[in-house]
Amino acid sequence: GDSVTQMEGPVTLSEEAFLTINCTYTATGYPSLFWYVQYPGEGLQLLLKATKADDKGSNKGFEATYRKETTSFHLEKGSVQVSDSAVYFCALRYPGSSNTGKLIFGQGTTLQVKP
Amino acid sequence: DGGITQSPKYLFRKEGQNVTLSCEQNLNHDAMYWYRQDPGQGLRLIYYSQIVNDFQKGDIAEGYSVSREKKESFPLTVTSAQKNPTAFYLCASSRLPEGPGELFFGEGSRLTVL
Repeated sequence: GDSVTQMEGPVTLSEEAFLTINCTYTATGYPSLFWYVQYPGEGLQLLLKATKADDKGSNKGFEATYRKETTSFHLEKGSVQVSDSAVYFCALRYPGSSNTGKLIFGQGTTLQVKP
Repeated sequence: DGGITQSPKYLFRKEGQNVTLSCEQNLNHDAMYWYRQDPGQGLRLIYYSQIVNDFQKGDIAEGYSVSREKKESFPLTVTSAQKNPTAFYLCASSRLPEGPGELFFGEGSRLTVL
């Protein structure tokens, strides 16, 4: 079945370090891919998305490219801040009326940024 | 402002009691979803609804029930049949169930069974 796998956390970085959180997926069709962020005690917020192969999603300095050949959607940021400390979820979703429209999530990766 | 409102934010329940979590959206979205979040397990789908008066079971529906009498409301009842109900519950909605777009989430409700 369809699934999303993220690198295990926690990931601990110093401020201004480069961030990569790996995400790979297994899918039979052509899903849309998402990164969501969850700050402590809150719901999920959409960080970025990509709807087709080779698309690059970007927001707030974060980027991820939809790589169909490697079935990956790795999240990157060139210089992290303490305020980026959160849990990051990779997810996929299928379009099409035959599908539920539900999101399939990875297990989440906790990022801790130290000053 | 448009969004999704969940209440209560925190809820405590004694074993054997049913509790209902509220979810209201004013985004005019057709589809609504309930997810359960446990530490280290990501989010798992409990129930979803693509249209008023219709809903389907997700991956972990046992011990839960829902209703969708109005487009903007999708309450979740955690029944006494749910063996391990302590968790963080998230409600979400999307514009079209068949669209490729994102889900919008509420702030969540944390249920603790005493």
